[in-house]
Amino acid sequence: SQTIHQWPATLVQPVGSPLSLECTVEGTSNPNLYWYRQAAGRGLQLLFYSVGIGQISSEVPQNLSASRPQDRQFILSSKKLLLSDSGFYLCAWTMDLNSGNTIYFGEGSWLTVV
Amino acid sequence: AQSVSQHNHHVILSEAASLELGCNYSYGGTVNLFWYVQYPGQHLQLLLKYFSGDPLVKGIKGFEAEFIKSKFSFNLRKPSVQWSDTAEYFCAVNPNSGYSTLTFGKGTMLLVSP
Repeated sequence: SQTIHQWPATLVQPVGSPLSLECTVEGTSNPNLYWYRQAAGRGLQLLFYSVGIGQISSEVPQNLSASRPQDRQFILSSKKLLLSDSGFYLCAWTMDLNSGNTIYFGEGSWLTVV
Repeated sequence: AQSVSQHNHHVILSEAASLELGCNYSYGGTVNLFWYVQYPGQHLQLLLKYFSGDPLVKGIKGFEAEFIKSKFSFNLRKPSVQWSDTAEYFCAVNPNSGYSTLTFGKGTMLLVSP
């Protein structure tokens, strides 16, 4: 069966420090991968998605970047964190959504920028 | 771009009351529709989804949703809620036109009192 893991689960970082959140999927090949940010009262905001290695689409301009160095690995990064980057970040995967597949979410990562 | 609107941010019900959570989307083409639930301290998980066929969709735990194309709506219902239904509920839409992304509403927090 397929599983998705993301880490770290919680992170406290000073303003201006770098960030790296990692997500891996097991048990499938060539998944579509996503990074969402969840904020109270604002739902889930899609940040990045990837349909293949090295292919990244950004949904909103921001201080963050994403990379997909391997088929089942998706990394969310920042060179210099801002206070406004604090939040709950979710990695997710699916096969082709248009074909009736479900999107599955990881456990989430709480980032606090201080 | 598509958008999803959930009418209520917070809903408070007593056990055995009936539930209806509103969801409207804006997209002119064919869509795939989802309801996700997030119980306290747990992952987002799929409640039900609509891709085609019968517009009345049955999900887990006694939930159902009806797709009304003319109203661009996909409301979630349950005839009799339980305390264990306390959670945050998210409606989401995927335009079935080659975009493999999911746009979420802002969520509705449901609190069921025993």
